[in-house]
Amino acid sequence: QQQVKQSPQSLIVQKGGISIINCAYENTAFDYFPWYQQFPGKGPALLIAIRPDVSEKKEGRFTISFNKSAKQFSLHIMDSQPGDSATYFCAAEYSSASKIIFGSGTRLSIRP
Amino acid sequence: DSGVTQTPKHLITATGQRVTLRCSPRSGDLSVYWYQQSLDQGLQFLIQYYNGEERAKGNILERFSAQQFPDLHSELNLSSLELGDSALYFCASSAHGGGSSTDTQYFGPGTRLTVL
Repeated sequence: QQQVKQSPQSLIVQKGGISIINCAYENTAFDYFPWYQQFPGKGPALLIAIRPDVSEKKEGRFTISFNKSAKQFSLHIMDSQPGDSATYFCAAEYSSASKIIFGSGTRLSIRP
Repeated sequence: DSGVTQTPKHLITATGQRVTLRCSPRSGDLSVYWYQQSLDQGLQFLIQYYNGEERAKGNILERFSAQQFPDLHSELNLSSLELGDSALYFCASSAHGGGSSTDTQYFGPGTRLTVL
C-alpha cells in the first residue's frame, strides 16, 4: 500500500517526440503527486506537481495527467529535447504525515 | 545550484565504522530532510527536522540518527555500517515544515558513501 510503481525503467525517444512515463499508487490517502528530474551527479529537482482534485496540469512542455479512479498518473514531455535526458521520479505524499514515497525512476534518453 | 551544501562529497569507510554527513540548508530555510538513494531501494525518505525538532520519520534504521543544530545545519550519523549502507545520501531543505506538498524542497548534490 505504500508503494508507487513507475514504468518504464528506461525510455528512448527521438528529439521532438513525446515522452510518457507512468505511475500507479495504492494508498488513497496520498494527496500530492510531484515529479522530480535528476541529472547525473545532481540531486533531484521538483519539475511539476499535481493534487488529486485536478485531472491535468501543464507547465510549458511538461504535463501531468491524473486519473483518480484508476489511481494512476503520468508525465508527458512534449517536443522532447536532448536536454531533457535525465532520470525522472514520480512520487506520492500524504501531506498530513509529511512523508513522501518515490517511484523507482525512469532513465530517459532523447536521441538527437 | 540549489543553495544546499553537503559535505563530504565522497566517503569511503569500512564495515562496522561510524560516519557523519553534514548538510547546510539554503539561507532562511527551516526544514532539513534526509534521503537515501541506492540501486536496489531507489530514493527513500529518511527523516525531517524543522527548526531543530524532528518533524517526520521515514525508513530510517535504528543505526542511523540525525539532528539539526541551532544554526539550522544538520548532521546524519550512520553507525555500525554495513555493505548495504553504500548509497548516495541527499539532504534537502525547505522554507517551512509542511512537507513537499506545501513547501518546495531543494536538494543538495549528495554524499556518496561507499562501505567496503
